[in-house]
Amino acid sequence: GQNIDQPTEMTATEGAIVQINCTYQTSGFNGLFWYQQHAGEAPTFLSYNVLDGLEEKGRFSSFLSRSKGYSYLLLKELQMKDSASYLCAVKDSNYQLIWGAGTKLIIKP
Amino acid sequence: IAGITQAPTSQILAAGRRMTLRCTQDMRHNAMYWYRQDLGLGLRLIHYSNTAGTTGKGEVPDGYSVSRANTDDFPLTLASAVPSQTSVYFCASSDETSGYNEQFFGPGTRLTVL
Repeated sequence: GQNIDQPTEMTATEGAIVQINCTYQTSGFNGLFWYQQHAGEAPTFLSYNVLDGLEEKGRFSSFLSRSKGYSYLLLKELQMKDSASYLCAVKDSNYQLIWGAGTKLIIKP
Repeated sequence: IAGITQAPTSQILAAGRRMTLRCTQDMRHNAMYWYRQDLGLGLRLIHYSNTAGTTGKGEVPDGYSVSRANTDDFPLTLASAVPSQTSVYFCASSDETSGYNEQFFGPGTRLTVL
């Protein structure tokens, strides 16, 4: 079967750095996506990795290791508005997205 | 219209009733999707369409049907609603002709079946 694993919930302090991990087992791999979803809202795209390595975009970075089936999302200089769920999704051999259940990130002052 | 719109925003429905959730996009994306999102579970794909005139089944298609008569519209129909279909439904679209193909999501429809 196909599986995406992420921690259910994480807590971090405003101004700090947090790393959200994602491991996956899928039938084929055609890229990994990270989305942000605020409570009661739609998911919005954050990052895309298809090759191994680190992709940096402002305060957010995403890393991929295809051999380990592993990715992480790194959030720096945390702000209260970063309180949200972070969804990891892998595009499988059928080019469909398989989604993790999401990691709820709580930011404390 | 900018992006993807969904209607209604929310709905309470009696079990056994028929219901159509509407989805319209103005980005001329070729691919469209319907997901349901339930607490503690990831987004689950119900049906998808890679291009106008074609549709396919996702992970949880039972009890749902879709049509794609044109590029912009992708309605989802529940023929006879059951309480287990209580969920938040998201429509999404993507341009699968480009290399990036991120999915853009509508605001969602919160459906309660009693």
